[in-house]
Amino acid sequence: QKEVEQNSGPLSVPEGAIASLNCTYSDRGSQSFFWYRQYSGKSPELIMFIYSNGDKEDGRFTAQLNKASQYVSLLIRDSQPSDSATYLCAVNAGGTSYGKLTFGQGTILTVHP
Amino acid sequence: DTEVTQTPKHLVMGMTNKKSLKCEQHMGHRAMYWYKQKAKKPPELMFVYSYEKLSINESVPSRFSPECPNSSLLNLHLHALQPEDSALYLCASSQEGRNSPLHFGNGTRLTVT
Repeated sequence: QKEVEQNSGPLSVPEGAIASLNCTYSDRGSQSFFWYRQYSGKSPELIMFIYSNGDKEDGRFTAQLNKASQYVSLLIRDSQPSDSATYLCAVNAGGTSYGKLTFGQGTILTVHP
Repeated sequence: DTEVTQTPKHLVMGMTNKKSLKCEQHMGHRAMYWYKQKAKKPPELMFVYSYEKLSINESVPSRFSPECPNSSLLNLHLHALQPEDSALYLCASSQEGRNSPLHFGNGTRLTVT
């Protein structure tokens, strides 16, 4: 069973702090990794994707990938109350051509003023 | 605003009804997907179409029938649903290649009475 696991949270951070969201995956053949943000009652919104080991930065967001440890994380700097949402880690199963994503259970993030 | 458009936004149907969910994208993507999401759970893959052909069916009951009339459109025909089928139904699209991120529509909130 190919699995993606996330800290279920909820994770609560003060405004302006760094929020750190973690994800591990079981399939060593996985090649692409995605972070989605989902507000309550809304659809998932892509915020970051990463394919290579190391860090990838986009504005306040940094994705980190370590394939040897089968670990991917998302850092949110200068967290804002508007960042409060569920963050879904998704991994593309190895061996498929298209986006057969396996999602983690999601981490609920609350940023309090 | 999302570039993947789903209609209707909300749908209430009885167990004997027949209805259809519609999805449209104009990003030139060649893969389209149906996901189902129950409350407080991650999205679950139902179907994948690539180049207008069904490539993945995740053992979905036959009361759900997908259709891809062309590369921009994706339908999900519903018949004889059960109350437990009530969920958020998400359409997504992506470019070719396993590393391509999925872009989700706003979803259809389905309630089966």
